[in-house]
Amino acid sequence: GENVEQHPSTLSVQEGDSAVIKCTYSDSASNYFPWYKQELGKGPQLIIDIRSNVGEKKDQRIAVTLNKTAKHFSLHITETQPEDSAVYFCAPLGGDDMRFGAGTRLTVKP
Amino acid sequence: DAGVTQSPTHLIKTRGQQVTLRCSPKSGHDTVSWYQQALGQGPQFIFQYYEEEERQRGNFPDRFSGHQFPNYSSELNVNALLLGDSALYLCASSLGQGGGNSPLHFGNGTRLTVT
Repeated sequence: GENVEQHPSTLSVQEGDSAVIKCTYSDSASNYFPWYKQELGKGPQLIIDIRSNVGEKKDQRIAVTLNKTAKHFSLHITETQPEDSAVYFCAPLGGDDMRFGAGTRLTVKP
Repeated sequence: DAGVTQSPTHLIKTRGQQVTLRCSPKSGHDTVSWYQQALGQGPQFIFQYYEEEERQRGNFPDRFSGHQFPNYSSELNVNALLLGDSALYLCASSLGQGGGNSPLHFGNGTRLTVT
């Protein structure tokens, strides 16, 4: 089955700085790479995703980059704001596995 | 456009009891997946329903069972509750069957506490 690792597990940045979270996976059949944001008391919400035929995707302050050869993809948040504080999960999918990473708790200090 | 709704929001049960959790998918979605999220951890996949059948299953015992109705809504049943079943149970809907290659839309979950 798929092994998914996220790093770091916690990340604290100053407002306005950039944040990068990396997700490493093992299943070479994975072909869909989403990132979810979970705020306290809520379910995860999709914030950006990428498919295996694309190397990078950007949506305003958020971007995802994919390296299929190395089997990792990263979430990039620029110009961080306090409302970006949350837990972020990667969930590389393909084949029969539906596994989430353990999560990264991002804290943005005003 | 209604999103994914789950009921109840909170539930307290005693060890050995049975529980049923309910989920209505986002309008237009036909696939429902259930996840268990322990405190401080990522969601763990329980199973997925499509066309009223269980299509995929994670590493959970048979005490966990489910159902999908013709209107695509779903139930998660857990029998013989253990203390370790205490968690947030998340329902996610999506469009089309598969290994999850379409975006998941999550509800806000049911917080189950087993005492």
